[in-house]
Amino acid sequence: EAQVTQNPRYLITVTGKKLTVTCSQNMNHEYMSWYRQDPGLGLRQIYYSMNVEVTDKGDVPEGYKVSRKEKRNFPLILESPSPNQTSLYFCASSLSRDRDWVAEAFFGQGTRLTVV
Amino acid sequence: AQKITQTQPGMFVQEKEAVTLDCTYDTSDQSYGLFWYKQPSSGEMIFLIYQGSYDEQNATEGRYSLNFQKARKSANLVISASQLGDSAMYFCAMREDTQDSNYQLIWGAGTKLIIKP
Repeated sequence: EAQVTQNPRYLITVTGKKLTVTCSQNMNHEYMSWYRQDPGLGLRQIYYSMNVEVTDKGDVPEGYKVSRKEKRNFPLILESPSPNQTSLYFCASSLSRDRDWVAEAFFGQGTRLTVV
Repeated sequence: AQKITQTQPGMFVQEKEAVTLDCTYDTSDQSYGLFWYKQPSSGEMIFLIYQGSYDEQNATEGRYSLNFQKARKSANLVISASQLGDSAMYFCAMREDTQDSNYQLIWGAGTKLIIKP
């Protein structure tokens, strides 16, 4: 089954404790990205990756890191989480533009992060 | 200026009726894509339908259709024969197909749809 898998689904952590949210897709997609969703602000892109070892900032990258060492995985790293990073996070993947992508049609289940 | 506008924060619709969710967009690009997603209360984001700016026919996917009016810059979602399971948040999104846009999806604020039995 084609899917994007995020882990964990729920996480409560304390300020300053490094954490990683994993994202894995099994569709051989080149393009992957991370969004955060906040009430009243909608979804905003944090980072994206066009392919292995190619990552770039989205609209709200501060406080986050990503890596793309393999095509299937795109982890989101919070080195020193703060309460304003409490949010619902989504990982998404799609084929690259060169291969006539249609949409970021595949989203992970979401990770609800609370930083206290 | 808002790039994606969904003017209906919430809607109540009787089961089995058709429902139209409004979406207008703003772009100067010629090449772009428009998407609708459904987000149930469980939180996941479910892709419903896609319309490319060069597509001449309105997209359809089962009970979902997209009423694409390019000159008016609108991309309304039509759900035929609504069901109780359609109750959810619905988001309209746009992707501008230029490298400057990061190819990211730009999202509307969403419409909360509640289907009444």
